[in-house]
Amino acid sequence: EILLTQSPGTLSLSPGERATLSCRASHSVRSSYLGWYQQKPGQAPRLLIYGASSRATGIPDRFSGSGSGTDFTLTINRLEPEDFAVYYCQLYGISPPVTFGQGTRLEIK
Amino acid sequence: QLQLQESGPGLVNPSETLSLTCTVSGGSISSNHYWGWVRQPPGKGLEWIGSIYYTGSAYYNPSLRSRVTMSVDTSKNQFSVRLTAVTAADTALYYCAGGEGSSSSWSQFYLYYGMDVWGQGTTVTVSS
Repeated sequence: EILLTQSPGTLSLSPGERATLSCRASHSVRSSYLGWYQQKPGQAPRLLIYGASSRATGIPDRFSGSGSGTDFTLTINRLEPEDFAVYYCQLYGISPPVTFGQGTRLEIK
Repeated sequence: QLQLQESGPGLVNPSETLSLTCTVSGGSISSNHYWGWVRQPPGKGLEWIGSIYYTGSAYYNPSLRSRVTMSVDTSKNQFSVRLTAVTAADTALYYCAGGEGSSSSWSQFYLYYGMDVWGQGTTVTVSS
């Protein structure tokens, strides 16, 4: 079973700054199986990134994903007020086959 | 555009069976999608429960496999989950979700683009 560990647990930043969120897998994984989701209070998760670096439909280009092997990153440039939320990485193939990281809370500083 | 809607009891007694249904609209459940359930205990993160293909091939979280059964009703465009012997630890917001994918073996599948369609979620409380 592959585990996903996200860091930091909480990230405090101001609007306009850049956010860098990390997701580390316990074993090397295929980038095509790595996604990122945003969840706001009272809402279902929303797919942001699939295949480690491809933006889902309608996702602004200030969101970008990168990484390979065991280390993946979600970067949010020029934070907007609506970007403050909880972010989850997810594996959707092989293990077990679906696994989520524990989440990173992005809060306003 | 695909839409999902969960339905089921909001309150279940301990030791009994939790049953939820997800109705797919805006498309066919028999499309190339893997339909799944994800839950979120109050104040906690997301946990995958399982996924099913319209043919009935089902894949479960190993930690829940002994208590979970999923099924599909193509005539109603619905899929369902049953979780037996529930305890307070099963109290959560339950989401149905889906994504296009393919099977890589009898025990594995993968999604092409992640879970790109979600229901709004339904709260289930386990309590007497």
